Amino acid sequence: KAGVTQTPRYLIKTRGQQVTLSCSPISGHRSVSWYQQTPGQGLQFLFEYFSETQRNKGNFPGRFSGRQFSNSRSEMNVSTLELGDSALYLCASSALSYEQYFGPGTRLTVT
Amino acid sequence: QKEVEQNSGPLSVPEGAIASLNCTYSDRGSQSFFWYRQYSGKSPELIMSIYSNGDKEDGRFTAQLNKASQYVSLLIRDSQPSDSATYLCAVNLYSGTYKYIFGTGTRLKVLA
Repeated sequence: KAGVTQTPRYLIKTRGQQVTLSCSPISGHRSVSWYQQTPGQGLQFLFEYFSETQRNKGNFPGRFSGRQFSNSRSEMNVSTLELGDSALYLCASSALSYEQYFGPGTRLTVT
Repeated sequence: QKEVEQNSGPLSVPEGAIASLNCTYSDRGSQSFFWYRQYSGKSPELIMSIYSNGDKEDGRFTAQLNKASQYVSLLIRDSQPSDSATYLCAVNLYSGTYKYIFGTGTRLKVLA
């Protein structure tokens, strides 16, 4: 089976811009979770989608949003980028066992 | 109190020794437990999951769960320099909805 894929792998954006990241889960996995990882904060949970519905949400401002499509692919969007949004954004997919399988991540740099 | 706690390390062990990584969690509603390994600059990869009290072995790795004491540990036998990485503990618990919580990780260094 193909693993989780994320695009793009690297992004450089300017403060105030917006960005959309994409994640394709493992075939058959219906749950997709998004995380932000920074050196100081570790893995911070953003949100989880299951069957096109947001099932869980972390403590991030409304500038962070996401959605999931009928084929389980997911996107997350960050509007009005801030310098502090520079991070590695990870997507993970899971099936019923709750074991999460991570994609390679998108490294976002905000200048 | 953090929901999932790990010692940040680094934990240094000589090659061939047993590395012991520990994790404690605060919510007794926690139902399933996971260990991930993350190499520098890479994404986390699942090593093991454990759901019931006791030991679970997979190759050189053994996960141990004690729900009464609220801890889960990972033993790595015959440690190799290639095991040098950050090890993340994760807990899945149900509190009205399912939550998946990661610890901040323990950095392991295996010395050749």
